[in-house]
Amino acid sequence: DAGVIQSPRHEVTEMGQEVTLRCKPISGHDYLFWYRQTMMRGLELLIYFNNNVPIDDSGMPEDRFSAKMPNASFSTLKIQPSEPRDSAVYFCASSISGTSVQETQYFGPGTRLLVL
Amino acid sequence: DAKTTQPNSMESNEEEPVHLPCNHSTISGTDYIHWYRQLPSQGPEYVIHGLTSNVNNRMASLAIAEDRKSSTLILHRATLRDAAVYYCILREYYGQNFVFGPGTRLSVLP
Repeated sequence: DAGVIQSPRHEVTEMGQEVTLRCKPISGHDYLFWYRQTMMRGLELLIYFNNNVPIDDSGMPEDRFSAKMPNASFSTLKIQPSEPRDSAVYFCASSISGTSVQETQYFGPGTRLLVL
Repeated sequence: DAKTTQPNSMESNEEEPVHLPCNHSTISGTDYIHWYRQLPSQGPEYVIHGLTSNVNNRMASLAIAEDRKSSTLILHRATLRDAAVYYCILREYYGQNFVFGPGTRLSVLP
């Protein structure tokens, strides 16, 4: 299994530009999670999906952020317009069934975003 | 969410055992204790989890105090590859979200 795949691995953009991060979860996993990691705030959950449906987006910082999951094998996290404070590492994770307290999440390698 | 407390950093010598502590004094009876680690420039990865009994797997052992208010992750022989940030997380029985604290940064000295 290839694991969770994220692209791009690195992204440098200018303030005001649109940024799209992509994620392919592990096949057969019903749950997909987007996290953001910064030095100041650590690892934070932004949003998660169950069977392609967004369940909890309370962690999404503001309306500039949006996430979609058009099918079971693909999700995007979009920032429009981007700001320097959005610079962070964005991780995607997936799990077979998120409702079990024993469930394991599998993380991708992350996308390192720098907004100038 | 029940909270955990871990030391900010620890050091170990290569090939020696490492005991990483975690305090969770407000843990509820149904919370599972999960450990993840994050190697440099990688995403977090699962290490081990448990409820009440001590647990062993190929990566580590988890020792859980009888009152469940603390636990210890044990790496039996640290290698340079084990240098990472280790996160102790409580998983609520009916909850969904993992809440990652700052973790413990483990340095392994050759």
